Amino acid sequence: AQSVSQHNHHVILSEAASLELGCNYSYGGTVNLFWYVQYPGQHLQLLLKYFSGDPLVKGIKGFEAEFIKSKFSFNLRKPSVQWSDTAEYFCAVNVHWGNKLVFGAGTILRVKS
Amino acid sequence: NAGVTQTPKFRVLKTGQSMTLLCAQDMNHEYMYWYRQDPGMGLRLIHYSVGEGTTAKGEVPDGYNVSRLKKQNFLLGLESAAPSQTSVYFCASSESGSSYNEQFFGPGTRLTVL
Repeated sequence: AQSVSQHNHHVILSEAASLELGCNYSYGGTVNLFWYVQYPGQHLQLLLKYFSGDPLVKGIKGFEAEFIKSKFSFNLRKPSVQWSDTAEYFCAVNVHWGNKLVFGAGTILRVKS
Repeated sequence: NAGVTQTPKFRVLKTGQSMTLLCAQDMNHEYMYWYRQDPGMGLRLIHYSVGEGTTAKGEVPDGYNVSRLKKQNFLLGLESAAPSQTSVYFCASSESGSSYNEQFFGPGTRLTVL
């Protein structure tokens, strides 16, 4: 069965620092990849997704992610974080018909103002 | 559009009690899902439905039952709650079963079983 690993469970950054959250998946075939964000007290929202084509995908709020097939990775980046980016971030993979997402454990990001 | 809604938002149960969580979507989506979210474990799929009248097991189905009598509603039932079912439950829906479809999530239900 496929699995998704997020390397950091808690990350604390100061405003304007750069962010990179790691995500690795275990599946050798074609994958669709997603990053979801959950702001405090809110439901999950889609941040960005990768299906095919340019491995560097841009999402909302200045986030981007890079798909590196050889490393089975889909890391999330943002050049300069803001206090409002404080949230939990989930990487997810979808490999089968039925649209069943497999989620990573999540990374809690706290941005200090 | 309200999107995906869930009721109730919070609930406290005693061990052995039963309850039903309701999920409703107004997007005419075919697929609906129930997940549980536990600290350090992300979201895990409990059950899902590929259309009205159909349900299927996900990754962690034990102790839960579901029903999809109407296309817009997906119910999650706990017949005899256990402390291990203390969690946050999220419902989601998607237009179809294509892996290219985004899943839209509800606001969650925080359940505590004492």
